[in-house]
Amino acid sequence: AQSVAQPEDQVNVAEGNPLTVKCTYSVSGNPYLFWYVQYPNRGLQFLLKYITGDNLVKGSYGFEAEFNKSQTSFHLKKPSALVSDSALYFCAVKSGQTGANNLFFGTGTRLTVIP
Amino acid sequence: ETGVTQTPRHLVMGMTNKKSLKCEQHLGHNAMYWYKQSAKKPLELMFVYNFKEQTENNSVPSRFSPECPNSSHLFLHLHTLQPEDSALYLCASSQGEPNSPLHFGNGTRLTVT
Repeated sequence: AQSVAQPEDQVNVAEGNPLTVKCTYSVSGNPYLFWYVQYPNRGLQFLLKYITGDNLVKGSYGFEAEFNKSQTSFHLKKPSALVSDSALYFCAVKSGQTGANNLFFGTGTRLTVIP
Repeated sequence: ETGVTQTPRHLVMGMTNKKSLKCEQHLGHNAMYWYKQSAKKPLELMFVYNFKEQTENNSVPSRFSPECPNSSHLFLHLHTLQPEDSALYLCASSQGEPNSPLHFGNGTRLTVT
């Protein structure tokens, strides 16, 4: 069965400090991994994805994520957090073996950046 | 501004009402999706259309009825809903390939009274 776990409901970080939002996954075959961000009263916005290749993926707004196959993790990172990064972050996984429609989301992590 | 537009943004309806949610995408995508977002739960995929053909129905109750007249428009028809159906309903579109990201609309906040 495919699934995504975001172990932290809430992450607080001081402005200017590095941030990490954790994600682990379970999927059959090679994973396609995604991060999305949701601001209040908005839909989800795509941040970055891992399909194949380099384990470190760079995305929008200075975010990056590191794919770790042995730990089945895909943690989202940013070297220096901004107050405007405060939002709800979702990790999602899709199996490369199944159809294009089976995208599984985590429950989300609320990031608060403290000024 | 999002390339996926959803209307209305908010909807309050009684359990005996019939209403429809509308979604339009301006991105030239082939696939369109309905998701349900409830607090503290993962997004739930409801329906998927590829080139106007329904390819996924995740055991959604028949009180939810999708319609996709063309690749740019998607509707969700609602009737005799229950209070537990109150949620944020998100429409998304994509190129339809496995590694294509989804582009979401801002959602319709539905409250069933």
